[in-house]
Amino acid sequence: ETGVTQSPTHLIKTRGQQVTLRCSSQSGHNTVSWYQQALGQGPQFIFQYYREEENGRGNFPPRFSGLQFPNYSSELNVNALELDDSALYLCASSPGDTHTEAFFGQGTRLTVV
Amino acid sequence: KQEVTQIPAALSVPEGENLVLNCSFTDSAIYNLQWFRQDPGKGLTSLLLIQSSQREQTSGRLNASLDKSSGRSTLYIAASQPGDSATYLCAVRRTYNFNKFYFGSGTKLNVKP
Repeated sequence: ETGVTQSPTHLIKTRGQQVTLRCSSQSGHNTVSWYQQALGQGPQFIFQYYREEENGRGNFPPRFSGLQFPNYSSELNVNALELDDSALYLCASSPGDTHTEAFFGQGTRLTVV
Repeated sequence: KQEVTQIPAALSVPEGENLVLNCSFTDSAIYNLQWFRQDPGKGLTSLLLIQSSQREQTSGRLNASLDKSSGRSTLYIAASQPGDSATYLCAVRRTYNFNKFYFGSGTKLNVKP
């Protein structure tokens, strides 16, 4: 049990729709990162939030956006869903110190049809 | 650019065998390397974290080594059990970047009873 909780666990959306995924980080962790994991691949970095500010972004289009709240929980929003957005979305929380472990949630499985 | 490669992609062994999973990375300027376990359709469970100044870390039947200069890490699993069956991922954090993981594609391990 990592203390990182994601919701929902599974989601089915239609192409063109919008989706919001949520992550509750471990207590005391002020940094949240989001990753996309396609089937059979390693996770790919989407972006990171540190104390409510975006602190880095991977190679994802602007229709992927996020928020971090004062309690350090986070949302990932994806607009204009495409079939290729079908993946496992993982969030990771850490204390903001790169020398410590990051802890991942159980993921949200998004299927776009 | 940091690229992480894991070999082999899949491994099937009989119960009780000792085994080695390999991870290589192209940029040796890393903060640390973390090994994760992922069960099918699930999130990531942290196994071991090795700081760039360390050579190895041990937890129970698991031992991870790091040779930063050659860009390699190995995960050694002693006396494998069917419950060890999962995908094992390694991930590195670079020195000249924010708190972002670069993941390999994983090694899928099957331990046969």
